[in-house]
Amino acid sequence: DAGITQSPRYKITETGRQVTLMCHQTWSHSYMFWYRQDLGHGLRLIYYSAAADITDKGEVPDGYVVSRSKTENFPLTLESATRSQTSVYFCASRGLAGDNTGELFFGEGSRLTVL
Amino acid sequence: GEDVEQSLFLSVREGDSSVINCTYTDSSSTYLYWYKQEPGAGLQLLTYIFSNMDMKQDQRLTVLLNKKDKHLSLRIADTQTGDSAIYFCAEMGRDSSYKLIFGSGTRLLVRP
Repeated sequence: DAGITQSPRYKITETGRQVTLMCHQTWSHSYMFWYRQDLGHGLRLIYYSAAADITDKGEVPDGYVVSRSKTENFPLTLESATRSQTSVYFCASRGLAGDNTGELFFGEGSRLTVL
Repeated sequence: GEDVEQSLFLSVREGDSSVINCTYTDSSSTYLYWYKQEPGAGLQLLTYIFSNMDMKQDQRLTVLLNKKDKHLSLRIADTQTGDSAIYFCAEMGRDSSYKLIFGSGTRLLVRP
């Protein structure tokens, strides 16, 4: 199906374990983003990518790693999960720079619990 | 730095108008946005306004922009129970990365 999909939708893990959240989009959008949503903080940007092999840090990158070997995929890895990383993670994408509306298309989210 | 602020909660009666307010800090923002998040779902763009506009109307939605005060509002006329959701204000970052800076979101509860 066309769109942006995240997996897994729900994940429970333990402190210190590595976790990877997957994000796949079928539009060939250039830009992709990872946000985390926490009560009282809204959405905070973790990492973003302007194109394959180009990534950059957002507001809260510590403890996370991303890669973008293919345009359609943008996985987010927690190398050693901590309880403070319990959150709902959203992947988003948008089209080329000429799309001035700036609309981001969001996945349905991945709810991660770190015990 | 860039920051977007919203009140956390709003409760209205069905049929009334809802007004959700937002303040932002980056006066160079070219676009400002309202996103809607329904329970268990991602965010969807509701509407946006270009910075050279004062108002934008789209059916039941009215967006007002006061650039002097850096204040953005979303008015929903004839609010329905289906409008119950979290509403996020967002501005485009000042650099060329096209990332959006979101507020903390306003939870709108519509009472029957």
